[in-house]
Amino acid sequence: EIVLTQSPATLSLSPGERATFSCRASQSLSNCLGWYQHKPGQAPRLLIYGASNRATGVPARFSGSGSGTDFTLTISSLEPEDFAVYYCQHCNNWPPITFGQGTRLEIK
Amino acid sequence: VQLLESGGGLVQPGGSLRLSCVVSGYGLMFDRYGMGWIRQAPGKGLEWVSGISGGDTISTYYADSVKGRFTISRDNSKNTVYLQMGTLRAEDTAVYFCAGRPGALPVYFDYWGQGALVTVSS
Repeated sequence: EIVLTQSPATLSLSPGERATFSCRASQSLSNCLGWYQHKPGQAPRLLIYGASNRATGVPARFSGSGSGTDFTLTISSLEPEDFAVYYCQHCNNWPPITFGQGTRLEIK
Repeated sequence: VQLLESGGGLVQPGGSLRLSCVVSGYGLMFDRYGMGWIRQAPGKGLEWVSGISGGDTISTYYADSVKGRFTISRDNSKNTVYLQMGTLRAEDTAVYFCAGRPGALPVYFDYWGQGALVTVSS
């Protein structure tokens, strides 16, 4: 089973700042990785698929990069609505599909 | 595309429950959607539970934690995917999200429901 490790566990930033999330895989994923945003009481939202492709309707301030075992989600300039929990998810050599443990983005 | 789960509730350990997820949307070709169930236990992160492919050949997939206890299925005539849960344990307590994508393999999840709460307790 592929294990995804996200860092940091919590990120404290202010609106307008840049946010960088890391996801490291226990084995190579090629580019089969997605990122999701999850707010309490809501459905998760797909942001990025294929490591770097923005899903439909996702603002351009969200970008994904990486390949192999190291991946990054970047929010170039934080908006108030971006504060949430972010998860990475792999789709290589599945099942099972696994998620990282999540990074909480909180307002500083 | 909208997804609506139903069937959650309180069940005793060892009991059974069936979740349903109805998918709707203009121009929807549900039979071509890969679908899955993902859960979130209280205070925990997301955990993939099961998936079912779309297209002409249907395949099903399960997490080890539910294999042999849960069964995923779909009825394309009703635009519905099901999760039959049996031999439930306290650790199955979670919000269960139905999710899907317009592609045969359920490897990403473009669309999500709001979730159904399943509580396993005596």
